[in-house]
Amino acid sequence: DAGVIQSPRHEVTEMGQEVTLRCKPISGHNSLFWYRQTMMRGLELLIYFNNNVPIDDSGMPEDRFSAKMPNASFSTLKIQPSEPRDSAVYFCASSRGQGAIFGSGTQLSVL
Amino acid sequence: RKEVEQDPGPFNVPEGATVAFNCTYSNSASQSFFWYRQDCRKEPKLLMSVYSSGNEDGRFTAQLNRASQYISLLIRDSKLSDSATYLCVVKDSSASKIIFGSGTRLSIRP
Repeated sequence: DAGVIQSPRHEVTEMGQEVTLRCKPISGHNSLFWYRQTMMRGLELLIYFNNNVPIDDSGMPEDRFSAKMPNASFSTLKIQPSEPRDSAVYFCASSRGQGAIFGSGTQLSVL
Repeated sequence: RKEVEQDPGPFNVPEGATVAFNCTYSNSASQSFFWYRQDCRKEPKLLMSVYSSGNEDGRFTAQLNRASQYISLLIRDSKLSDSATYLCVVKDSSASKIIFGSGTRLSIRP
């Protein structure tokens, strides 16, 4: 199994631009999580899905953030418009009942 | 109050020492517990699950105290390669929500 696949690995963009992060969970996993990690705030849960349905998006910081999971093998996290304070590492993780397996993350820099 | 709280450290101990971390959680309905390890610039990786009866995996021992709502991790005979950030993780199985603590940094010196 290839594990959780995230793309891109790195993204550098300018303030105001739209950013789309992508995730392919492990096949057979029914839960998918988006986290954001910064030095100041640690690992924050943004949103998670069970069976492709968003369950809790209370961690999404603002309306500029949105996430979708159109099918069991794909999810996106979109930031529109992006701001410098969105700079962080964004992790996607998937789970099948127990602990979650993480992707390698997307390092986002908003200039 | 944070849902999962950990001492951020850093813990700086000599090779061969025994070191222990604690973590507290606020939701008494939490059902599953884990320790993850995260190396610099890498993703978190599952180290071990934590069971009510306590469990051991080589040099690592994890324990759960439901009454006091804390989890511990003990590392015996620490190695240089144990240097990392250790994240306490709590899962509410009814909703599948997985919450991470902010992590405890461990540095093992020769």
